[in-house]
Amino acid sequence: KNEVEQSPQNLTAQEGEFITINCSYSVGISALHWLQQHPGGGIVSLFMLSSGKKKHGRLIATINIQEKHSSLHITASHPRDSAVYICAVSGFGNEKLTFGTGTRLTIIP
Amino acid sequence: EPEVTQTPSHQVTQMGQEVILRCVPISNHLYFYWYRQILGQKVEFLVSFYNNEISEKSEIFDDQFSVERPDGSNFTLKIRSTKLEDSAMYFCASSADTSGYNEQFFGPGTRLTVL
Repeated sequence: KNEVEQSPQNLTAQEGEFITINCSYSVGISALHWLQQHPGGGIVSLFMLSSGKKKHGRLIATINIQEKHSSLHITASHPRDSAVYICAVSGFGNEKLTFGTGTRLTIIP
Repeated sequence: EPEVTQTPSHQVTQMGQEVILRCVPISNHLYFYWYRQILGQKVEFLVSFYNNEISEKSEIFDDQFSVERPDGSNFTLKIRSTKLEDSAMYFCASSADTSGYNEQFFGPGTRLTVL
């Protein structure tokens, strides 16, 4: 069973700051997913990666397979980035997602 | 852009009643999932479904739960006799394949409140 840990649990920052959220997992995976959950509850997929780095706008996700660790970075953070960011993993031959507890990000104007 | 839809957005029911949560996955997707999130907790896997049968289920998914794809578009989760602890947000998701490399697309969720 894969244990997915995220840090920090809560993060408050000023607008414009560079944000880093970390995720670690205990068992090898086929892919790692970063998801965003807004206050209304809906979940949106941000990234899916199995190696290296991906960038989308101000968001960057990296993964180190050897260290079983991933980071999500937000550059030039904005109040609209305020949400819960969730890391989830899928195993080999196993399509279900195992979720972390999420990081609640609040960006203050 | 295609999206997963869920109805209703909010369901309130009395303990012991049956509820059916409905989902319409993305039309060319083949793999379907239900997850739930109890308030303040992390999202948990319930069940995955492919080719008209359950491919995996969690220990949460006991005999009170069932899933069905009654037609070509809907995917339903039934809870036969609801308990207070079934109160949660239920998310449906779909993906094009199950390689583990494929993105899952989530619906907006159904908030179930059991009184």
